[in-house]
Amino acid sequence: DTAVSQTPKYLVTQMGNDKSIKCEQNLGHDTMYWYKQDSKKFLKIMFSYNNKELIINETVPNRFSPKSPDKAHLNLHINSLELGDSAVYFCASSQEFSGGSGANVLTFGAGSRLTVL
Amino acid sequence: GQNIDQPTEMTATEGAIVQINCTYQTSGFNGLFWYQQHAGEAPTFLSYNVLDGLEEKGRFSSFLSRSKGYSYLLLKELQMKDSASYLCAVTDSNYQLIWGAGTKLIIKP
Repeated sequence: DTAVSQTPKYLVTQMGNDKSIKCEQNLGHDTMYWYKQDSKKFLKIMFSYNNKELIINETVPNRFSPKSPDKAHLNLHINSLELGDSAVYFCASSQEFSGGSGANVLTFGAGSRLTVL
Repeated sequence: GQNIDQPTEMTATEGAIVQINCTYQTSGFNGLFWYQQHAGEAPTFLSYNVLDGLEEKGRFSSFLSRSKGYSYLLLKELQMKDSASYLCAVTDSNYQLIWGAGTKLIIKP
């Protein structure tokens, strides 16, 4: 059973298009995240939801809109795609956001590689 | 500002020992994590330190000194499959994770 699953794994699209990436976790975790990893391999937090509520919203263009229908799902919709959006997007979850004893250990999905042409 | 520093790349020989250092400057501290990321794959959790000292887990150990803002990951009996990037991350006072850029470890036979 996949703990954190995201689809699609690969996405190739034209500039200006709108696309979505879906994420689901079956770990019973309260917190979910979207990270962007660019070509330099630096992981950058985009959003975090705790029990369906937005708790982290980093400086990300408003073309990116997360949606959490329930605490097991966190989807990412991107409008008007640009070349600079090409990256690998990782969904992740943790038991809690602010727990001690490593309760905020992240479990990552396999990643969605987005290529904008 | 908040900052995590780790070497960009290291090379080691199969069967040897390698130490990957991480220094941090963050607003508060609530724990330090090490993750492993193989090329083209997702990061996976390796270790968590919140108190000073050494945590050993099989061939991997992680050390923390909070007063020095310093950690290291020690990998023993290196295997080819240990070739990967190793990411250091610190949880600050607001429980936000601050990530280093990762250290690419190359293992040679």
